[in-house]
Amino acid sequence: AQSVTQPDIHITVSEGASLELRCNYSYGATPYLFWYVQSPGQGLQLLLKYFSGDTLVQGIKGFEAEFKRSQSSFNLRKPSVHWSDAAEYFCAVGQGSNDYKLSFGAGTTVTVRA
Amino acid sequence: AAGVIQSPRHLIKEKRETATLKCYPIPRHDTVYWYQQGPGQDPQFLISFYEKMQSDKGSIPDRFSAQQFSDYHSELNMSSLELGDSALYFCASIPLAGSSYNEQFFGPGTRLTVL
Repeated sequence: AQSVTQPDIHITVSEGASLELRCNYSYGATPYLFWYVQSPGQGLQLLLKYFSGDTLVQGIKGFEAEFKRSQSSFNLRKPSVHWSDAAEYFCAVGQGSNDYKLSFGAGTTVTVRA
Repeated sequence: AAGVIQSPRHLIKEKRETATLKCYPIPRHDTVYWYQQGPGQDPQFLISFYEKMQSDKGSIPDRFSAQQFSDYHSELNMSSLELGDSALYFCASIPLAGSSYNEQFFGPGTRLTVL
């Protein structure tokens, strides 16, 4: 079964600084990887996804993520954070093959200080 | 563009009561997934439907049941509610399952509070 680990529970970053959120997955075959963002009391919004191809994927809101098979990682990055990026971020993995359920990591809460 | 609709958005129930949560997928999406997100937890898969048939089941209590109707909307029925059922319940819809892997479109969730 697939699983996801997000090692950082909480990250605080200054506005304008860069941000990197770590995600490690466990899955035997080629995984389908996602990053979602959730504001308090809100639903899950997809930031970006990786299915195949170019290992550096661009998402919405200026986010990007890099798939590294050798490290089983799919880290999320943003060069310059905005106060509106304060939220909880979830990494998720799916296994495809007509099985679309997602396994989520525990999430990383991002706080942005002025 | 139409999104996934969930109703109600908020629900407050007493212990041992029942609750029904509804999910209306995006038009022409035939697959629905349900997830439960407890306070401070990550979403956990409950159950899924494809073409009105249950396609997969996760850690869903026996007190819960669900179904998908002919118009593809889905309902999650929860009986004998417990305090631990308080959570945010998401549904997600997927277009035309059976094709290449597709993105799940999540609804805004129903926040259930059991008192």
